[in-house]
Amino acid sequence: GAGVSQSPRYKVAKRGQDVALRCDPISGHVSLFWYQQALGQGPEFLTYFQNEAQLDKSGLPSDRFFAERPEGSVSTLKIQRTQQEDSAVYLCASSERDRPNEKLFFGSGTQLSVL
Amino acid sequence: QKEVEQNSGPLSVPEGAIASLNCTYSDRGSQSFFWYRQYSGKSPELIMSIYSNGDKEDGRFTAQLNKASQYVSLLIRDSQPSDSATYLCAVGRFQKLVFGTGTRLLVSP
Repeated sequence: GAGVSQSPRYKVAKRGQDVALRCDPISGHVSLFWYQQALGQGPEFLTYFQNEAQLDKSGLPSDRFFAERPEGSVSTLKIQRTQQEDSAVYLCASSERDRPNEKLFFGSGTQLSVL
Repeated sequence: QKEVEQNSGPLSVPEGAIASLNCTYSDRGSQSFFWYRQYSGKSPELIMSIYSNGDKEDGRFTAQLNKASQYVSLLIRDSQPSDSATYLCAVGRFQKLVFGTGTRLLVSP
């Protein structure tokens, strides 16, 4: 596709509900990143994939957060038993190669509100 | 101490002035340095990258890096109202980018 696509654009969940957020990176991009951005804050790193391999998940805040990229393209971020503190914008980004300094292309994000 | 620190602002400048945005980082092993612009409700957009000490110019934007002082800055010349946004400093080590909280810039006509 022309850019990184994320869906849904907005998600409202009741506390305790499970949610799944989808990211469709730019076709052929090797690296995929998930970031969490709380209101008024900068994006916080969650996890990183090189193709289908999850190489770094050090930023996932708890074991309620799980990400996968089974075929090395589309990725899903799943949050189980959502809590109010999970409310944030979840940004997905991809880069063409798996090298440091690569330009990241961001999607428009999914705004999650947990009530 | 946060890994990447920025003044949250807002930084207010009149149209046509130079806006100066600053960022410090704590990891001396950092390899790459970026400035992203983020309009309200939108995703971050890369505007400058810099990897070695000194200045890098691109149009109205100049990025400056001083690794000894662990300091990165962004200058915006001839500021326009359309430059009003939050500017995020991001510092990279290997494949991971760490962002600051951003500086909100307001350019008044």
